[in-house]
Amino acid sequence: NAGVTQTPKFQVLKTGQSMTLQCAQDMNHEYMSWYRQDPGMGLRLIHYSVGAGITDQGEVPNGYNVSRSTTEDFPLRLLSAAPSQTSVYFCASSYLTGAYNYGYTFGSGTRLTVV
Amino acid sequence: TQLLEQSPQFLSIQEGENLTVYCNSSSVFSSLQWYRQEPGEGPVLLVTVVTGGEVKKLKRLTFQFGDARKDSSLHITAAQPGDTGLYLCAGGDNYGQNFVFGPGTRLSVLP
Repeated sequence: NAGVTQTPKFQVLKTGQSMTLQCAQDMNHEYMSWYRQDPGMGLRLIHYSVGAGITDQGEVPNGYNVSRSTTEDFPLRLLSAAPSQTSVYFCASSYLTGAYNYGYTFGSGTRLTVV
Repeated sequence: TQLLEQSPQFLSIQEGENLTVYCNSSSVFSSLQWYRQEPGEGPVLLVTVVTGGEVKKLKRLTFQFGDARKDSSLHITAAQPGDTGLYLCAGGDNYGQNFVFGPGTRLSVLP
């Protein structure tokens, strides 16, 4: 079982460049999300999706786009990279079982540096 | 905006000691989760609690959800070096579509 797979693991971008972080899961989870993790600030939600064709914004969505054309894939696009987007990005997925989310499965992260 | 605070921020103890870390908020959560994260990896789920006052045990780890569902604690008995890591709590709203994470407690267990 691969779980949640993120690529690439490391990336360096120049200011203004665009790129897509890939996320794929093989657990048939309805819910997928993107978080960024910065020192002392915990994990902050960027965007999330409750199923194919449905996305919504989280706490820090500016500068990022997402789409969900399949259950398995949830790519995160950086439109014009800025140094403030230097961070570690995590993709997470879970089942939606009615009233509760019983826990995320996280990928191993993408460490992004914008210079 | 719902906020979660965790204390202590850092904790360094000797193998065999007991410890408790805390997760607090002024908001009520429908469920609360604890994760452990090791360097270079994503967080790994330890437990989910959903009922006020609920206590769950996972080997040497004991998790408690506050009666008012605003706080939680994690107690580790006889800590081992393998317990070293960043412990994160996360509180969810109804339907779990918006989980808020605390900043974490970084635990170091020395042999």
